[in-house]
Amino acid sequence: AQKVTQAQTEISVVEKEDVTLDCVYETRDTTYYLFWYKQPPSGELVFLIRRNSFDEQNEISGRYSWNFQKSTSSFNFTITASQVVDSAVYFCALRNYGQNFVFGPGTRLSVLP
Amino acid sequence: DTGVSQNPRHKITKRGQNVTFRCDPISEHNRLYWYRQTLGQGPEFLTYFQNEAQLEKSRLLSDRFSAERPKGSFSTLEIQRTEQGDSAMYLCASSRKGNRDFLSIRPGELFFGEGSRLTVL
Repeated sequence: AQKVTQAQTEISVVEKEDVTLDCVYETRDTTYYLFWYKQPPSGELVFLIRRNSFDEQNEISGRYSWNFQKSTSSFNFTITASQVVDSAVYFCALRNYGQNFVFGPGTRLSVLP
Repeated sequence: DTGVSQNPRHKITKRGQNVTFRCDPISEHNRLYWYRQTLGQGPEFLTYFQNEAQLEKSRLLSDRFSAERPKGSFSTLEIQRTEQGDSAMYLCASSRKGNRDFLSIRPGELFFGEGSRLTVL
């Protein structure tokens, strides 16, 4: 069975703070993809990052960075110098060799000015 | 606009009525997904099409739910005899099959529409 856990239901930070969103996944497959999506108040889910199970290299994109560790089945997402516009619900998702994406319950991030 | 389009955006209906949602995916995308999202939860998979073929259905999709994609382009999701528990946001997403899907550069990234919110009174 596949499962994605995002233990942090809500996080509040003050602007310019760094924040890390945790994601832990479960799968029996050796080949899979992990994703992060952002859902702003407008509601449309926006793709942020994709990582395949063969590539554990961490990635940085501007203020965003991702730490993929197979040993702990984690794919954590860090926002550096957070901004108010980062306020949203963030979802971690897992896709195996099938086509079904399994989403975590989401973490609501509030960045206060 | 070349994104995923869903309509209606909002639907309020009385229990027992039928409702239908439409999704127009990105034109070159051959895969289309329906998800349901309730307040405070992540999207839950309902069903998936590759072209016109419905390849997978979740157990969440009861007999009252039916989805079609007759020409491999737009899709409809119909809910018959709606119940209050059907109240949710219904999300449509599309993706493209890569040449070597799982190992291709853009392996099935989902592009979501803005969703259709259903309220059953």
